[in-house]
Amino acid sequence: DAKTTQPPSMDCAEGRAANLPCNHSTISGNEYVYWYRQIHSQGPQYIIHGLKNNETNEMASLIITEDRKSSTLILPHATLRDTAVYYCIVRVANSNSGYALNFGKGTSLLVTP
Amino acid sequence: EADIYQTPRYLVIGTGKKITLECSQTMGHDKMYWYQQDPGMELHLIHYSYGVNSTEKGDLSSESTVSRIRTEHFPLTLESARPSHTSQYLCASIKTGWAEAFFGQGTRLTVV
Repeated sequence: DAKTTQPPSMDCAEGRAANLPCNHSTISGNEYVYWYRQIHSQGPQYIIHGLKNNETNEMASLIITEDRKSSTLILPHATLRDTAVYYCIVRVANSNSGYALNFGKGTSLLVTP
Repeated sequence: EADIYQTPRYLVIGTGKKITLECSQTMGHDKMYWYQQDPGMELHLIHYSYGVNSTEKGDLSSESTVSRIRTEHFPLTLESARPSHTSQYLCASIKTGWAEAFFGQGTRLTVV
């Protein structure tokens, strides 16, 4: 699986958009970009994923650059409850041989009042 | 709602004791994972399984062992607990081809 690089921490004011970047310059053509978040010490929660098109769901938007070497997770109106560690993961979706799901260090997002 | 369960939620045990942390899922997921995480620290993969009778070690070396005799069950065992094993242990599962991994509530282990 391709390696990802994320900033260790970010701040965002409540109500503003939070834009969390992720670099994955060694991504392969069949690898997807996944985002999870971990609130306090709970298990990580899936947010969104994409291959090459931008994606949006009720939680967030995912913007993937045309060369697929980087992506940005956007929380359009951050709330205090969005304070969490956000993980960007790159992996193959349909691997019959299995894979190790590694989360890395992620970005610690602090949403302030 | 995720159907993946870990027991116990909290465990305080003496040094040298043998313990088994239970993880079960009712979703028919083929892949299961164990993670170790200290407070405020990185989530480390210690074991994973592709399916029945397959187990692999993760990136973080661990003295624990796992087994996968049934699809739904992935227990983690420590033969002789030590204070250095004090941590939170999280179990997860995912179905091949699906996007979302589901996590259990975790087991907070304290070895005294």
